[in-house]
Amino acid sequence: GAVVSQHPSRVICKSGTSVKIECRSLDFQATTMFWYRQFPKQSLMLMATSNEGSKATYEQGVEKDKFLINHASLTLSTLTVTSAHPEDSSFYICSAAGGGTDTQYFGPGTRLTVL
Amino acid sequence: KQEVTQIPAALSVPEGENLVLNCSFTDSAIYNLQWFRQDPGKGLTSLLLIQSSQREQTSGRLNASLDKSSGRSTLYIAASQPGDSATYLCAVITTSGTYKYIFGTGTRLKVLA
Repeated sequence: GAVVSQHPSRVICKSGTSVKIECRSLDFQATTMFWYRQFPKQSLMLMATSNEGSKATYEQGVEKDKFLINHASLTLSTLTVTSAHPEDSSFYICSAAGGGTDTQYFGPGTRLTVL
Repeated sequence: KQEVTQIPAALSVPEGENLVLNCSFTDSAIYNLQWFRQDPGKGLTSLLLIQSSQREQTSGRLNASLDKSSGRSTLYIAASQPGDSATYLCAVITTSGTYKYIFGTGTRLKVLA
């Protein structure tokens, strides 16, 4: 089956620093990747959608200058949380979909804690 | 705007019970619907995917049904086990340009031994 990995699985950083999270599709080409955020005991909220080689499309209320998304290849997307603050602490999950398909395959998530 | 709600928000049952989790959505124009399980601090495990043309899907002790016209889906778990304890999420898949998943609010299930 399709496998999506994320790195790191956990990260702790100081307030004001930037953190990069990687999402990789291991055995298929992901033309579209998605980034979600999940606060404790809440559901997943879509942050942005990115197509390989294009700028990401952000959902309403998500700051594109704070959450930088790069999807430079068909197997890798990165999310950079810039100038992180404690309120950015959350569980970030990515997913990937192949060309023209509706099924998303989800990564294991990254727990970000900002001190 | 599509909204997905799951009832109940939390459920605690003794081992062996059959149970039903509910998912409702406000816009019936969905493409597919998918059920997931999420263990604490972990990612998502796909359980069942129901395509819009289907009314139900089964896998082992799990059965999911879909009624698009009424905006409802149910996940039936037979003979529940402590290992079934997790949060269950439903997601509707929409087709406004890109296929998007809109997740429900989740049901936290605890099966007591």
